Amino acid sequence: NAGVTQTPKFQVLKTGQSMTLQCAQDMNHEYMSWYRQDPGMGLRLIHYSVGAGITDQGEVPNGYNVSRSTTEDFPLRLLSAAPSQTSVYFCASTSVAGSYNEQFFGPGTRLTVL
Amino acid sequence: AQSVTQLGSHVSVSEGALVLLRCNYSSSVPPYLFWYVQYPNQGLQLLLKYTSAATLVKGINGFEAEFKKSETSFHLTKPSAHMSDAAEYFCAVRLNFGNEKLTFGTGTRLTIIP
Repeated sequence: NAGVTQTPKFQVLKTGQSMTLQCAQDMNHEYMSWYRQDPGMGLRLIHYSVGAGITDQGEVPNGYNVSRSTTEDFPLRLLSAAPSQTSVYFCASTSVAGSYNEQFFGPGTRLTVL
Repeated sequence: AQSVTQLGSHVSVSEGALVLLRCNYSSSVPPYLFWYVQYPNQGLQLLLKYTSAATLVKGINGFEAEFKKSETSFHLTKPSAHMSDAAEYFCAVRLNFGNEKLTFGTGTRLTIIP
């Protein structure tokens, strides 16, 4: 199993550009989520999905879109990048079977918006 | 709603000394609690979790944590620090039923002094 994979590892954008951060998992997990990590603020939930076709907003959703067309993939889209979106982005997944399964995290994407 | 407070954004201990990282939580219902570790330029890895079974939880790499309901705490300890323990540590909380969303603390960076 590859676990949770994220691409790209690094990205530099100019203000106003768009891009998609890719996330995939091969564990057949129903639940997937996106977090951003900023110094001194821990990880904050952007969007999450409880299954294919179902997504919902987290704590900091503004400026980001998501979709979940398959169980495996959960891309995060920045439609018009802003410097405030400079951050490290983590994707995570977990199974909802059982009541206390851990979340597995990808290696992260470091995004800089100039 | 739930929240987590980690006291001390930076902690330094000598090699071989006790490690104590503090975490206090707030939750409207009995929580599940987690400690994650993040090594430089990597994703998050689960250290241990409390899921309402034993209040003293043992994790990987010699770490353990004790759930104290009266103090709403879940402090992380290790009797003897090793250089390889240098990392950032995150406490996280989630509701114990029907909700996979994790709420993270702001993190504690642990430095080991040789």
